[in-house]
Formats: sequence, structure tokens, C-alpha cells
Amino acid sequence: GAVVSQHPSRVICKSGTSVKIECRSLDFQATTMFWYRQFPKKSLMLMATSNEGSKATYEQGVEKDKFLINHASLTLSTLTVTSAHPEDSSFYICSATGIYNEQFFGPGTRLTVL
Amino acid sequence: RKEVEQDPGPFNVPEGATVAFNCTYSNSASQSFFWYRQDCRKEPKLLMSVYSSGNEDGRFTAQLNRASQYISLLIRDSKLSDSATYLCVVNTGPGGATNKLIFGTGTLLAVQP
Repeated sequence: GAVVSQHPSRVICKSGTSVKIECRSLDFQATTMFWYRQFPKKSLMLMATSNEGSKATYEQGVEKDKFLINHASLTLSTLTVTSAHPEDSSFYICSATGIYNEQFFGPGTRLTVL
Repeated sequence: RKEVEQDPGPFNVPEGATVAFNCTYSNSASQSFFWYRQDCRKEPKLLMSVYSSGNEDGRFTAQLNRASQYISLLIRDSKLSDSATYLCVVNTGPGGATNKLIFGTGTLLAVQP
């Protein structure tokens, strides 16, 4: 199957700092990528849809100024958590769509904000 | 009502058992359906797509009933390595660039030796 990578896999930061997470499709081009967040023992929740060359589409309740998304190329999307706070601590996962509408997920980034 | 509902389990079964998971979805316009598997603290991995005619992949069989808005997954001859959380996933978009996956909360399966 298609391979999606994420970097970093784990990050610990102080409250108030910004954290950038990269999502890359390694062996295919992804016009659309998605960003999810998963809290412990909860289901994945879609945060935003990232479209190459245009603005991201955010889900209701997700602050676009706090979660900055840039989809600069067909293989790279970045999520920046600005001024992170402890409540932003979560498992952030990206995905990219295959040709049959299935989504391939990156390995996730575990963010801990102290 | 949740858009995708699953029994959270856990399902504790012995090795070799057959286990079935059920899922219901609320949006009748949903286009495509999947089962994903998620291991603890890992990303979800696609297990199989679900087609209207039903489909099988080895020990795994998926069924879809559009009229009842119901999806199932059957695992035969359970292995210890099948222990994971199984996510029912529905695509509510019309496809292409507007894919939007809705995840169930998952059903936890624990296969006992």
C-alpha cells in the first residue's frame, strides 16, 4: 500500500511554543491530505482537509489561526500548532487519499505540552 | 445520535474463535465504507473496504446492508495477532477531493491464548 510518513513522531514542548508537524506521501502524489486528532480512548476526529495550492478547510470547532496548515506540494502538508497549551496534547495523525478513496495514514505524532 | 456507532467491547475470545463486529451509520448518502485496524498507540491501518456485494479477504469477511445502514466484519479462526481495535469508517463525501471519513469509536478485540 501507499506510504505516508510523519515527522516528528513524538514531541514534548513548553506551553506557549509552536510545533510544526510534517506529513509526506512517499510514493504517490496526494492532492488532498487530512489532519486528525485523537485523544486517549477516543475516536479519530477530523480537524481539517488540506488541499494542495489552496487554503485548508477546517471542521467546525477547530481554530484555523491556532492550527495552521500549509500544503505546499503534492507530497507535503504541514500542521503548525501555534502557542500550544496542555489541552493541545494529543495524537495528531495525517492521511492521504489513494485512487480508490481509501485513506492511508501516517504513523502519527504524539504531542505533549507541559 | 452518533454518525457511526459501534459496540466498544471489549470482545474477549479464545484463539480459533469466530467473532463478528457490527456497525451502523446514520447518513444514508454515505458512499464508501471501510474497516480499519488500530493497534495501541499506533495509526489506523486499512483492513479492507466494504462492498455492497460483500467481500472476503482470507479470514475476514465484510458485509454491507445499505437499506439498514449496517456494516459487519467477521473474523474466523482468530489469532492472537488479531488483538486490536477495529474501526468502522464511513466516507460521507461524494468522493474525490471531498472525501470525509467518519470514524466509529472502535471495537476492542482481545484474543486469548
